[in-house]
Amino acid sequence: GEDVEQSLFLSVREGDSSVINCTYTDSSSTYLYWYKQEPGAGLQLLTYIFSNMDMKQDQRLTVLLNKKDKHLSLRIADTQTGDSAIYFCAEGPYNFNKFYFGSGTKLNVKP
Amino acid sequence: DTGVSQDPRHKITKRGQNVTFRCDPISEHNRLYWYRQTLGQGPEFLTYFQNEAQLEKSRLLSDRFSAERPKGSFSTLEIQRTEQGDSAMYLCASSLLAGGENTGELFFGEGSRLTVL
Repeated sequence: GEDVEQSLFLSVREGDSSVINCTYTDSSSTYLYWYKQEPGAGLQLLTYIFSNMDMKQDQRLTVLLNKKDKHLSLRIADTQTGDSAIYFCAEGPYNFNKFYFGSGTKLNVKP
Repeated sequence: DTGVSQDPRHKITKRGQNVTFRCDPISEHNRLYWYRQTLGQGPEFLTYFQNEAQLEKSRLLSDRFSAERPKGSFSTLEIQRTEQGDSAMYLCASSLLAGGENTGELFFGEGSRLTVL
């Protein structure tokens, strides 16, 4: 459960959609998460998905989970400059005893 | 309650000195986690508490590191005989594990940055 991988950078124009991808290795992960970290601030939960779901939508955010390939993605529709931040993918087991985080994807939104 | 607070925000120390970080979680949260984050990396799990009991420690946590949560509220993380490799951001997070549906959402503090010269 320790290998969670993400691409390091993504640059998009304001108004476009952003897709941030993540792969994980632990098939027993119960929950998968997306956290956002803005400069000088703590990580903040954006959304999560339970492992028996394929998709979850929450306003501008869409999470897709492919359990077979252990692939998770976060789509941000109509990306705004305020979405510029580092996005971390994380996985956690049923007892929430520890969570493994990816190295983060830095999203840069150009006006 | 304004969230998870950590103190100090930044600590600069010389190699070989001891340092202690404090974390005040959200008051009703029974779980408290310590993570370490280095530049360009995601948070790495160090240890966690349920109430006052320390239930798991990472192998990253050498014997120079000790964490306590004596009354199940605030927690301290002490690093003895600091080394330059200890330089990192130390993050504290808390969560509430209760009966019924739990999502494991972690509420993070802003972190304590350690610089070892």
